[in-house]
Amino acid sequence: GDSVTQMEGPVTLSEEACLTINCTYTATGYPSLFWYVQYPGEGLQLLLKATKADDKGSNKGFEATYRKETTSFHLEKGSVQVSDSAVYFCALIGETSYDKVIFGPGTSLSVIP
Amino acid sequence: GAVVSQHPSWVICKSGTSVKIECRSLDFQATTMFWYRQFPKQSLMLMATSNEGSKATYEQGVEKDKFLINHASLTLSTLTVTSAHPEDSSFYICSARSGSYNSPLHFGNGTRLTVT
Repeated sequence: GDSVTQMEGPVTLSEEACLTINCTYTATGYPSLFWYVQYPGEGLQLLLKATKADDKGSNKGFEATYRKETTSFHLEKGSVQVSDSAVYFCALIGETSYDKVIFGPGTSLSVIP
Repeated sequence: GAVVSQHPSWVICKSGTSVKIECRSLDFQATTMFWYRQFPKQSLMLMATSNEGSKATYEQGVEKDKFLINHASLTLSTLTVTSAHPEDSSFYICSARSGSYNSPLHFGNGTRLTVT
C-alpha cells in the first residue's frame, strides 16, 4: 500500500541555519504530496503542496519539489527561525487511496536562538 | 480560507462517562470529515471517515461502538467516546476537505481528552 517515510527526529538547529527534512514515498501513479505543520498543542496546518511531478510547493520560506524519479518531496528552508519550531508531517493522497491521507511519522524541529 | 472548528479543546472526564467532541466546518460544506487520534510524539492514526448522511467508515481495529461518529449535516460531525477509560486518553483531531479528493485537508485544533 501507499506509505510515507520521513527522516527521524528530533532535529535541533540554531536560528538562521538551513533546514532539510527528507521525505520519500511509495505509491502507484502520481500521488498528491503535502507538508503539514503542527505547533505545540494544536492541530495540523497545511504548509505546502504539490500535485504533479516537478511541481514546487512553497510557503513562508519553505519549499519542496515533487521528484517523481526519486519519489521524494524534501522540505527545505534557507534560514529557520525560533517560530518554526514544530512537528512537520509529510503526507500523500494516492491515486488509489481516494479520500485517505497517508501521513509520515512526523519530524520534530527545535530551533534555538 | 477554509476553517475547521473543534470543540472542546480539552476535556477531563471520569472513567465510565461519555464525551462528545464536535467538529464544524465554518465557511465551507464538508461532505466528508475525518477523525484522527494522535499519541504523544507520534503520527496521526486515522480512526474513521465520516460521511454526511450515512454511516461512518471505521479503520481496522477501531471499535465503532466505542467511538460513535455522527455526521448530521454538511458542516458538523461529532465523535462520542462512550464509557471512556484511561487508555482512551489521547489527542483527537478532526479534519475536512473543501474540494476534490486530492485537495488538502483542513484540520481542527484538536481535543485533548484525559480520562481519570
